[in-house]
Order: sequence, then structure tokens, then C-alpha cells
Amino acid sequence: IAGITQAPTSQILAAGRRMTLRCTQDMRHNAMYWYRQDLGLGLRLIHYSNTAGTTGKGEVPDGYSVSRANTDDFPLTLASAVPSQTSVYFCASRGRGGIGTDTQYFGPGTRLTVL
Amino acid sequence: QKEVEQDPGPLSVPEGAIVSLNCTYSNSAFQYFMWYRQYSRKGPELLMYTYSSGNKEDGRFTAQVDKSSKYISLFIRDSQPSDSATYLCAMSPFSGGYNKLIFGAGTRLAVHP
Repeated sequence: IAGITQAPTSQILAAGRRMTLRCTQDMRHNAMYWYRQDLGLGLRLIHYSNTAGTTGKGEVPDGYSVSRANTDDFPLTLASAVPSQTSVYFCASRGRGGIGTDTQYFGPGTRLTVL
Repeated sequence: QKEVEQDPGPLSVPEGAIVSLNCTYSNSAFQYFMWYRQYSRKGPELLMYTYSSGNKEDGRFTAQVDKSSKYISLFIRDSQPSDSATYLCAMSPFSGGYNKLIFGAGTRLAVHP
């Protein structure tokens, strides 16, 4: 593994179903993020985690939950999917350090359709 | 009003043209500015990173920050079809430690041969 991997690549889901999007990074980055990307709205932060064991809410957290049991994994769960959660979901990570470490590295994305 | 405004385009230019992509922002606390490039059906990848005001050049790409006008630009010289992508600006008030990036909506660029 090199960088960030996400699974599945794409998914069609019936409304009301539960779904977990997986994200794994091998860069030993402390901070991880989940974004959704919608046309005309850009990337919006859903949840973040500064380090293993801690999480926080972003701009659009409703309907989503996350956990951070270890450094490498940061799954995003939709407890009961709704059509408005149809989007492309990106996981990102960022290392700890000085100037220049604000850069976030993104995974390839999960394309989710909720019907 | 959004914190970061970016014209969504699309912008279509001939190969070899100079491209100018821009973002404006409202939060004067932003100090770190980034440009990401996103190819179709891929994740964003970091293209340029600048701190505070000034210019930064990397090959055919130049990033420019004017904090007094709250305006940032990305210039692409001698544009190539391989530059066709969506370009997202992003910014943050902090370096290191905890931070959240604020993204523009992205500008779609098409460079045709």
C-alpha cells in the first residue's frame, strides 16, 4: 500500500441501509479527514480526527459517524442512508510538523449513490 | 457568502495558452494557500503551496497571493492537454498542529490541441 486507499470504489445503496466507507493510510499521519464533493459545492468536511482516539465534527456531519481506533484506519458510517447523501466521498490525511505540513493527501474516492 | 469563492468555469483554452485561475476569500486570518489539481474520477493532488503574500514558481506553474486584496491566482504557462482537470484552491489560517482546509468549489479547465 502506498498513500491512502478507499473502499469500495463505488456503491449503489438503497435508502435506509447502513453503509461503512473504509479508509486506510500507510503514511503514519496523525490527522485524517472525510470530505464529500458535490457539483458546485466543492469539498465539504464531514468529520476529522487529529489523532487516534479523537474525532470532531466538520461542516456537514449530520447522518454520518466516524471512529479512529488506530492511526491507519478512519471508517465513515452512514447509519441510515438518504438520497441527499449521494456524493463522492474522499478520505484525506495530513502529517504533523512545521510549515508546509498543512497539505492534505487524498484517497481516490468512493462514489456513492443512494436510491 | 462563502469563505472562498472560485469561478467554476468551465474554462476552455488552446494548447500553449497562458491560463489564469483565481480565488477570492473573506477571512483575513488565512495565511497558507494551496492549489490542488483533480483529474476526472480521481482524488485531488497537491500542486502548489504558498505562505502569506508573494509568488512561487514551479516549472510552468506560478502561484500568486495578494493578501491585501484577499485574492490568489494560479498561472499555467504553455498549457498542455494534460493540464485538463479541475483546479481547487484551498487555504488555512494555521500551519502544523490542528487545521482545517477551506476549499473553493473548483474551476474546470480544458486545454484542447
